This record gives sequence, structure tokens and C-alpha cells, in this order.
Amino acid sequence: DIQMTQSPSSLSASVGDRVTITCQASQDISNYLNWYQHKPGKAPKLLIYDASNLETGVPSRFSGSGSGTDFTFTISSLQPEDIATYFCQHYGPLPITFGQGTRLEIK
Amino acid sequence: QVRLQESGSRLVRPSETLSLTCAVSGDSISSSFYSWSWVRQPPGKGLQWIGYIYPSGSTYYSPSLKSRVTISIDTSKNQFSLNLTSVTAADTAIYYCARVRTGQRFDPWGQGTLVTVSS
Repeated sequence: DIQMTQSPSSLSASVGDRVTITCQASQDISNYLNWYQHKPGKAPKLLIYDASNLETGVPSRFSGSGSGTDFTFTISSLQPEDIATYFCQHYGPLPITFGQGTRLEIK
Repeated sequence: QVRLQESGSRLVRPSETLSLTCAVSGDSISSSFYSWSWVRQPPGKGLQWIGYIYPSGSTYYSPSLKSRVTISIDTSKNQFSLNLTSVTAADTAIYYCARVRTGQRFDPWGQGTLVTVSS
């Protein structure tokens, strides 16, 4: 199985800050990586697909980059409504695996 | 707007079978563009993919659960289901259903249902 190592596990930042989360794959997965936002009690939401493509309707402050084994998810200017857990997901060879998640809090 | 809603037993006894159903509204489960998946999250842990099913009935399961998992689809009711046999406390988790688009994009998801395995 491909392991996805996500860091940090939690993060505290101020409104307006630039926030960066990383995911590292245990082997080359090209750009086969998606990013999601998960707010408590709600359904997870797809934000970024194929490592760097913004899902329709998602604010442009969210972005993703990377290929191969190293990937980055960025919020350019943190907003109060961005408080959530963020996780990555690879879709290379099965089984599909997810990162452990990053819990984002407002400082 | 596509919506998915999980339902089923919230409390299951050890060694018994966990059964959940995901009702889909706003889209046809028979569409050839999608597959339909189950994912779970044990307390304090990350997400674990369980498997998915195509409208044709073809299934793909996580190797770690394959011996105990069955995912089925009922196109007449526009829903799909999960059966997990011989459960233990380690199967306690929030279970999510999701539609899977091209590029294995899970979208949308249901809100999830907590299933507890306990006597």
C-alpha cells in the first residue's frame, strides 16, 4: 500500500495568515492526489484534484502543488470559515489511502 | 444537488454483521460515470477506504478488509449497501458513503454515521 504522510497534524494560525500543509507519498504517484476539507458534523468536501486543480466553486485562496512524492496544500489568506480538518488522498494503484489529516485552528 | 445519506444499525455486537445503506438523491446510481464508495474513520484515526462498486456490480475492496466486506447496489432503489461481517471493537468508526468521479475524486460525501461495536 502507498502510505501518505501528512504534516503537521495540527496547526494554529491567525486570520490573514498563509497556511501550508504537506503530504508525502511513500512512492511516486505522479499527480494522482486530491485534497479535502472536513468540518465537524459535515460531509467532507473536495477542494483540489489532480494535485493542483481547483474544484468548481472553491475559493481561489486554496491551491495545491507538487508531483511525484511531495505535495503542498496552501491557503493564501486564512479566513475564519476555513477552520476544519484537511486531508490528502492518493489514487494511484489500489488501495486508495488518505493522509492522517491536519486540524487547522484560529490563533 | 446530489445528496447521500447513510442509515443502518448504530450499535452492533462483536462477531455480528454491520449493515449500512447509502441512499442517493439528485443523481442516478446507474450512471456509468461514477462508482460508489464506503470510507470509515475510527475514533482518533485517519480515513480508511473500504471499497467501491460500479453500477455493473463490479467491486473493489481494500485488501485489509476484503475477506469480511460486501458492497452491493440496488439500482431500483437508487442506493448501495455495506455489509461487514465478524466485527470487533476495531470496527467502531464513523462510516461515510461517497460518489466517486473520474480521477477517484470522492464527491459528494454523506455526513457519516457512527457505528459502535460493543456488547
